[in-house]
Amino acid sequence: AQTVTQSQPEMSVQEAETVTLSCTYDTSESDYYLFWYKQPPSRQMILVIRQEAYKQQNATENRFSVNFQKAAKSFSLKISDSQLGDAAMYFCAYRLNNFGNEKLTFGTGTRLTIIP
Amino acid sequence: DAGVIQSPRHEVTEMGQEVTLRCKPISGHNSLFWYRQTMMRGLELLIYFNNNVPIDDSGMPEDRFSAKMPNASFSTLKIQPSEPRDSAVYFCASSLVAGGADTEAFFGQGTRLTVV
Repeated sequence: AQTVTQSQPEMSVQEAETVTLSCTYDTSESDYYLFWYKQPPSRQMILVIRQEAYKQQNATENRFSVNFQKAAKSFSLKISDSQLGDAAMYFCAYRLNNFGNEKLTFGTGTRLTIIP
Repeated sequence: DAGVIQSPRHEVTEMGQEVTLRCKPISGHNSLFWYRQTMMRGLELLIYFNNNVPIDDSGMPEDRFSAKMPNASFSTLKIQPSEPRDSAVYFCASSLVAGGADTEAFFGQGTRLTVV
């Protein structure tokens, strides 16, 4: 079974600085997707960024970028120029690219605090 | 689009009562997921539908839980009878799975269920 591990329960960063959240996963598959979701206090799960495993290029979305290391099964999220609105729980998630098995497997989350 | 709509946002019920959670997926999406979030177990998949058909219900805790999707625009998750350990946030999510045009899962705002 696929598993997703987030080893940092909590992280904090000074406003405007850069922070990296770690995620590792375990799978025997080669075709899958990886995601980072943000969950602010409002409880809404918001997609931050998505990476297809077949793409070597790391995904970027404005201030958010990932470091995808397929061989190491590592998928870290870098947040640049941190803002107060980035404070939230961040979940790493995995999904097979396989019809009939599109469920997301989540890590346990990292609570990110932004220090003004 | 209004996104995935869940109702109610909050539900408080007494142990032994029946609880029904409702979800309207994004129009045009063909996959629907019910997740449960607790402090102890994190985010876990309960059941997953594709084209209104249940594909994977292995996460449904026990016979007290049932889910239906009578049409493409509506799903329910029912707990009967409810127990205090069912207290959690229940999320509905939808996505389009169409081989090559797959979208990520979009989440509703969740229903916070408290069973006293």
